[in-house]
Amino acid sequence: IVLTQSPGTLSLSPGERATLSCRASQRVSGVYLAWYQQKPGQAPRLVIFGGSTRATGIPDRFSGSGSGTDFTLTISRLEPEDSAVYYCQQYASSPPYTFGQGTNLEIK
Amino acid sequence: VHLEESGGGTVQPGGSLRLSCVASGFNFNGYEMNWVRQAPGKGLEWVSYINPDGNEIHYADSVRGRFTISRDNGNKSIFLQMNSLTVEDTAVYYCARDGLDGYNPDYWGQGTLVTVSS
Repeated sequence: IVLTQSPGTLSLSPGERATLSCRASQRVSGVYLAWYQQKPGQAPRLVIFGGSTRATGIPDRFSGSGSGTDFTLTISRLEPEDSAVYYCQQYASSPPYTFGQGTNLEIK
Repeated sequence: VHLEESGGGTVQPGGSLRLSCVASGFNFNGYEMNWVRQAPGKGLEWVSYINPDGNEIHYADSVRGRFTISRDNGNKSIFLQMNSLTVEDTAVYYCARDGLDGYNPDYWGQGTLVTVSS
């Protein structure tokens, strides 16, 4: 299964809403879909798992949705610290994990 | 939860390296573990998986036959033996713990850089 993320880069202002897309080449169960945030020089951080469940410590400005082949990460009321690359990831039988190519979110 | 990788460095093509990851802050024996890598300026690529008992192992096609994952539950560690390295293996290698549902890695180490260069 190939995950394709769009857009490649998203430039928004503080307070705006960001909508990041992840499209799968085959149907994926939402239970298997996660989103990660990666800031420069840092390890990825789990943001959303199970398609829509926020990970520990993630503010409620972050929400995940979608089903089938189309999934979305929405970040409302953007803050400067939300600047990062966001990756979607899905679980399958083989290989166990695949990642999208990432969306670079810039807060200007 | 804390994961700390070590063992990275610079090696010539065809060479070998052994990466280690020491875990703390959780019941290591009960968790599946992974290695995930990231080439400079690129995205994330899953490399290898090992279950808690060490008797179920998976590899990405790109490393199968060259890399070997293992674990030592007594010392709360996993390892990645990397042989026949090529320049395409140059990356930061992350150790990542699977969440309890086993579907998504939930905690990651800070990574160790492997550079393959002549």
